[in-house]
Amino acid sequence: LAKTTQPISMDSYEGQEVNITCSHNNIATNDYITWYQQFPSQGPRFIIQGYKTKVTNEVASLFIPADRKSSTLSLPRVSLSDTAVYYCLVGSFTGTASKLTFGTGTRLQVTL
Amino acid sequence: DTGVSQNPRHKITKRGQNVTFRCDPISEHNRLYWYRQTLGQGPEFLTYFQNEAQLEKSRLLSDRFSAERPKGSFSTLEIQRTEQGDSAMYLCASSPPGLALSSYEQYFGPGTRLTVT
Repeated sequence: LAKTTQPISMDSYEGQEVNITCSHNNIATNDYITWYQQFPSQGPRFIIQGYKTKVTNEVASLFIPADRKSSTLSLPRVSLSDTAVYYCLVGSFTGTASKLTFGTGTRLQVTL
Repeated sequence: DTGVSQNPRHKITKRGQNVTFRCDPISEHNRLYWYRQTLGQGPEFLTYFQNEAQLEKSRLLSDRFSAERPKGSFSTLEIQRTEQGDSAMYLCASSPPGLALSSYEQYFGPGTRLTVT
């Protein structure tokens, strides 16, 4: 699993757009980029996954530049309920899942 | 379907006792994963099943841990002779069939919080 680097924490005001960037310099050709959200005392929730360019769903957008060495999770108009830890995972599930680690994530705090 | 369910949600046990947790994945999900998470850390992978076959087991999983998935449906995780260091949240996740092998799209349950006294 490619090593990822994310900011430890971020703060935002309600209604703003939040962008969380993840660095993954040694991403492999077959690797996908996946983001999860986790609230306290709950299991992580799948947000979005992409391979290249841009992916958008009803919750977020994922921007991946051509070199794929980083990715940015974009949360439009955050609300207080978006306060959570966000994890970036990069890898290829080819039966070597023992390398599947979430890291410490980015703690997003949204305030009024 | 209401998602992945785990039972019990909380378990308090004395050191040296055995505990067993159950995970019911989303219906028809063929992949099932177990993770352990301690405070302030991300989930750590423990083991993985595709249908009833246990295909991967982390080095984190000592001989005191065993997991099963009979008939490829629900799964159980047993910890024998529990130690205080086993105190953690144990998470189960499942993935549907048809995903690319390289996909990490997983759906997590609420977890079982284990406290070993």
